[in-house]
Order: sequence, then structure tokens, then C-alpha cells
Amino acid sequence: SYELTQPPSVSVSPGQTARITCSGDALPKNYAYWYQQKSGQAPVLVIYEDSNRPSGIPERFSGSTSGTMATLTITGAQVEDEADYYCYSTDSSGGVFGGGTKLTVL
Amino acid sequence: EVQLAESGGGLVQPGGSLKLSCAASGFTFSGSAVHWVRQASGKGLEWVGRIRSKTNNYATAYAASVKGRFTISRDDSKNTAYLQMNSLKTEDTAVYYCTRVYGDQPPFDYWGQGTLVTVSS
Repeated sequence: SYELTQPPSVSVSPGQTARITCSGDALPKNYAYWYQQKSGQAPVLVIYEDSNRPSGIPERFSGSTSGTMATLTITGAQVEDEADYYCYSTDSSGGVFGGGTKLTVL
Repeated sequence: EVQLAESGGGLVQPGGSLKLSCAASGFTFSGSAVHWVRQASGKGLEWVGRIRSKTNNYATAYAASVKGRFTISRDDSKNTAYLQMNSLKTEDTAVYYCTRVYGDQPPFDYWGQGTLVTVSS
């Protein structure tokens, strides 16, 4: 079955740039989406179709892809960005989430 | 205001069945696809399955982990989608969320608050 691979954790200091990667064989053919989930809350979409930012999401969030890897970049990470981040994509049989990355900002 | 609200969670024994509901409001439900996503305690998000709109023949798809045991359906007259879960296993214990794909909006732009399913003897 199709898999998306993320690093379990990323840690940065406030104001630094955080990069979270998502690797999957089908990413060259299918969009990547990114969701932020804070403790006890439902996920929130932060990037769609590889690199688009929904209204209301701060400009410091951006997305990119290269080959089989998608990257979520948070430029100038803030303490409030500390959360779990999940990539999501589709294949012929349905959808799949990455395992999630815990972002620590301190 | 777009709202999704799950209900029907609870405690069930292994091998048992449970039916979850997802009630929608604030948008044209019949034009949307509904997806179910679950999350075990302390674990990541897992896509469970989806049902498309009437225009797309109510097509369904399921994760390999639930295929043959779970069934997604919908009643557009009630703006509600359902997740019928049979032959439940302890590993199905999780919070179950419903979310939507609607028109040209990005997928999963709105989520319900989730409902907890506990499979235990």
C-alpha cells in the first residue's frame, strides 16, 4: 500500500526556519496537502495543492515539491506553531496521511 | 456557517458493530464528498474511507485496514453521512472524524469535533 514518510520530530528556536519533509512515490503525480493539529483539536489545513495557502493561514507557511518529496516550510517559526503536522495525498485506491511530525519551537 | 458533527461513538466489544453519523450544515451537502479519518490516542491521523456525491455515483473507497468491515453511506435528504463498522477489533479504538471535499474548495477544509470509539471487552 502507498505510504508517505515524515520525520517524527523537528525542533527549532523561535524565529528560525522549520522544514518538514514528506516523501512518497506518487507525489510527482498527486498533490500534497499539509495539516496542522494542536493537542486536543481537529486538524487545520495549512497548505493545499503542494504550495497554496488557505485564507487565514499566516504567510510564514509555505509548501513546495521536488520529485518524490514535498516540504512544508515555516519561515520565522513562532511558539504558537508548535504542533503536529501531517502531509496527505492520494493514490488510485484512496487517501493516505504521513505518520506526522511533531514540531517543537523553543 | 459550515458545520460537521459526528455522533454515535461509544464502548463496544471486540467483534461487535457500531454506526457513526456525520451531520452536516451550512453548505450543499449533496454536492460534497465525505471522508472519515481516525486517530488512536497518541497516534497519527489515518484515512479510513470516503463516499463521493451522487454526481460521482456515490463511489466509495476504503483503507486496507478496514476494507470489508466498514461501510460508508449517505442520506442527502438528511444531510448526513454514516460509517457502519462491523467485526470491530481493539485496534479500531480511536477518535473518528468526518471531513469534506466540496466543489473547488481544498479538501478537508472543515472537520467535525470527532467521536470516540472504544473497542474493549
